[in-house]
This record gives sequence, C-alpha cells and structure tokens, in this order.
Amino acid sequence: DAGITQSPRYKITETGRQVTLMCHQTWSHSYMFWYRQDLGHGLRLIYYSAAADITDKGEVPDGYVVSRSKTENFPLTLESATRSQTSVYFCASRGGQGEYEQYFGPGTRLTVT
Amino acid sequence: AQSVAQPEDQVNVAEGNPLTVKCTYSVSGNPYLFWYVQYPNRGLQFLLKYITGDNLVKGSYGFEAEFNKSQTSFHLKKPSALVSDSALYFCAVRDSGGNKLTFGTGTQLKVEL
Repeated sequence: DAGITQSPRYKITETGRQVTLMCHQTWSHSYMFWYRQDLGHGLRLIYYSAAADITDKGEVPDGYVVSRSKTENFPLTLESATRSQTSVYFCASRGGQGEYEQYFGPGTRLTVT
Repeated sequence: AQSVAQPEDQVNVAEGNPLTVKCTYSVSGNPYLFWYVQYPNRGLQFLLKYITGDNLVKGSYGFEAEFNKSQTSFHLKKPSALVSDSALYFCAVRDSGGNKLTFGTGTQLKVEL
C-alpha cells in the first residue's frame, strides 16, 4: 500500500526551465495539496484541489501551475523556475466530509541553479 | 486570516522528563487544530487533532495536547520524553468552514540522555 508518493525525490534544474513535480495517492482522497517548506516559514500552501478539475490558490501560488485530471494525481509545474523556488515541496491528501487530517508524501527537494 | 505561532524555535529536554511544545492560534470560526512531526528527510506525520469535545486530546507515541479556548492555545505534551522523540514539530490550524491548513514555523525538539 503505497499511500502517497512523490517523484522525483531530488531535482536540480536551471533558472528559466520548466519542471513538473508529480504526486500520486492511492486512497481516492478528494482533497490534494501542495506545500513548500522553507526555513523560518514552516509550510506554506501553494495550491489545493477539492476534486478532479477543481483547483484553488493557496498562500504562495505565483510561478506555479497545477492540474487535476484524475483524482489520484496532482502534478505541480514550475513554468519558468527561479532561484527563489528552491525549496522542499510536499504533497498531501485528505478525505472528504468528516475526515480532517492530511497525509503527506515524502517530499521533493528542488534546487534551481 | 488564520495564523499559528510557535514561540520556541527549539526545546531541549532530558530523557524521562516531561516535555511541552507551545502553540497559539488565531482563527475566525471554530478551530480545527493539529500536531504533526517531521523526522529528517521525511514528510510530516500526523500526531493528533482537536476537532470538538474533550479539551485533552491523546495521540500517537504517547503525545497529548490540551485545547484552551480562552488562551487560544493547543500545547503539545508528553509525560516522559524519549531520545527518539527528537524531531521537528508543527502545529496547524484551519477554520471549521474552510479547507486550508495554516502551519506554524515549527519547533525543533531535542531530547538528550
């Protein structure tokens, strides 16, 4: 039972390149989330999705794009990577009504040079 | 806007002693409160939550937390710390009517022999 997985686990890319981080969950959870973790900021929400084809902005959405064509997948794309997007990215999921806690993936460490 | 404050960047405690990690919150409606733990190079793991009911909530690994509405606090506690409890702890809050979790900046717990 894989739960929630992220790929790649580590990525180095150059400024200006497009990069996509993948997130996959096997629980059929309705909600999925993308966070970035930076020292001194904790975790900040980038985007979230309540269901397939329904997405909404979080606290720090600029420079990121998401899509959710299937319930189990929630890719995050950096259209033109910048050094300020160097971070650790976490995907999370949560069930629907009456379910409260989020479950996190192992993270992707992204370095933009 | 909702917010979480974890006033201590680091807490040091001797093994066998009780530990407390502090958290205060601000939210417009009824709060849903959570504690997560993060070990090095891992994703966040859910520890416990307060949704409604008894103010003392028990969670995983012997941790508990006390919800105090008048002080808007949700401190994490454990009667007897273990070296293996050393990790980064995050408090999080969301409004009962919302979908977005807001995290604190985290508290590094160090338990020494």
